[in-house]
Amino acid sequence: SQTIHQWPATLVQPVGSPLSLECTVEGTSNPNLYWYRQAAGRGLQLLFYSVGIGQISSEVPQNLSASRPQDRQFILSSKKLLLSDSGFYLCAWTRDRANAGELFFGEGSRLTVL
Amino acid sequence: AQTVTQSQPEMSVQEAETVTLSCTYDTSESDYYLFWYKQPPSRQMILVIRQEAYKQQNATENRFSVNFQKAAKSFSLKISDSQLGDAAMYFCACSWWGTYKYIFGTGTRLKVLA
Repeated sequence: SQTIHQWPATLVQPVGSPLSLECTVEGTSNPNLYWYRQAAGRGLQLLFYSVGIGQISSEVPQNLSASRPQDRQFILSSKKLLLSDSGFYLCAWTRDRANAGELFFGEGSRLTVL
Repeated sequence: AQTVTQSQPEMSVQEAETVTLSCTYDTSESDYYLFWYKQPPSRQMILVIRQEAYKQQNATENRFSVNFQKAAKSFSLKISDSQLGDAAMYFCACSWWGTYKYIFGTGTRLKVLA
């Protein structure tokens, strides 16, 4: 069976510090991978998605970046965090290449920037 | 731009009663897919129901059903015989064939009253 893991679950960082959130999918190959941010009143905002190794599409200009160094690994990074980067970050994957199948989500990472 | 709108930030329903959550979307594409996701207090996102736009028949999953009005670009979720475990945040989402993107609404918080 397929599983998705995100870590760390909780992170408290000072303004200006770097960030690295990791997401790994197991039990499947060549998944589409996604990073979302959930902020109060704004729903789920799509940040990045990837359809293959090294292929990253950015949806929102911001202080964040994403990388996919391996087929089932997706990393969200920042060189210098801003207060506005605080939120709940969700990684997700889907196996369907053309038809939009179910999006499977990780447990999420709560980031607080102080 | 493709958008998904949920105009009800919060809804309440009495246990065992029926509630309908609203969702509208905006697209010029003809081939797309619609979803309802549930996010309980644990924050783990769970797929409730999925609808292909080319199918006229409304999708159902046990106590959950949708009213898909393609011309009106409306996709509402009906929950029958509401249970305490239905209390959660509900997100409507849309994905367009070939784009790989899943766009979510801002969510509706559902409270179930005993």
